[in-house]
Amino acid sequence: EAQVTQNPRYLITVTGKKLTVTCSQNMNHEYMSWYRQDPGLGLRQIYYSMNVEVTDKGDVPEGYKVSRKEKRNFPLILESPSPNQTSLYFCASSTRGAVTDTQYFGPGTRLTVL
Amino acid sequence: GENVEQHPSTLSVQEGDSAVIKCTYSDSASNYFPWYKQELGKGPQLIIDIRSNVGEKKDQRIAVTLNKTAKHFSLHITETQPEDSAVYFCAAVMGGGADGLTFGKGTHLIIQP
Repeated sequence: EAQVTQNPRYLITVTGKKLTVTCSQNMNHEYMSWYRQDPGLGLRQIYYSMNVEVTDKGDVPEGYKVSRKEKRNFPLILESPSPNQTSLYFCASSTRGAVTDTQYFGPGTRLTVL
Repeated sequence: GENVEQHPSTLSVQEGDSAVIKCTYSDSASNYFPWYKQELGKGPQLIIDIRSNVGEKKDQRIAVTLNKTAKHFSLHITETQPEDSAVYFCAAVMGGGADGLTFGKGTHLIIQP
């Protein structure tokens, strides 16, 4: 089954404790991205990757890092989480150079930073 | 960058009636306009999309219209059913570029029995 998986689905942590949210897709998609969803603000792109070893900032990249060492994986790293990063996070993937193609979203990771 | 406005934020309709959600965008270079449905506890799922060379597209009870001159597009759902209750997001992007989708803030559609 074609899918995007994220782990963990729920995470409660404390300020400053480094964490990683994993994202994996099995559709051989080149393009992957991370979004955060906040009430009243909709979905905003954090980082994206056009292909392996190619990443770039989205609209709200501050406080986040990503890596793309393999095509299928695109982890989101919070080196020093802060309470304003409490949010619902979604990973998405689509075919290369074709943001116009269907973007498949993962199930989401709800992060709470205390 | 692109800016997408979506209205209304909440829409309540009687089961069987039609629902219309409207979006406007700012970047005239945008040429791809998808609509996503998000059910509680799940990620957004594409339900229909339209490209700028098309004015209208229909898929069963769902249709999308696009007015490039006015830079607005709309989602129409006819004969609404309880399973249509969800949050709907519109989005816009310039196809072929690296930028991600710019989303509207969402519309919570409530179908009243």
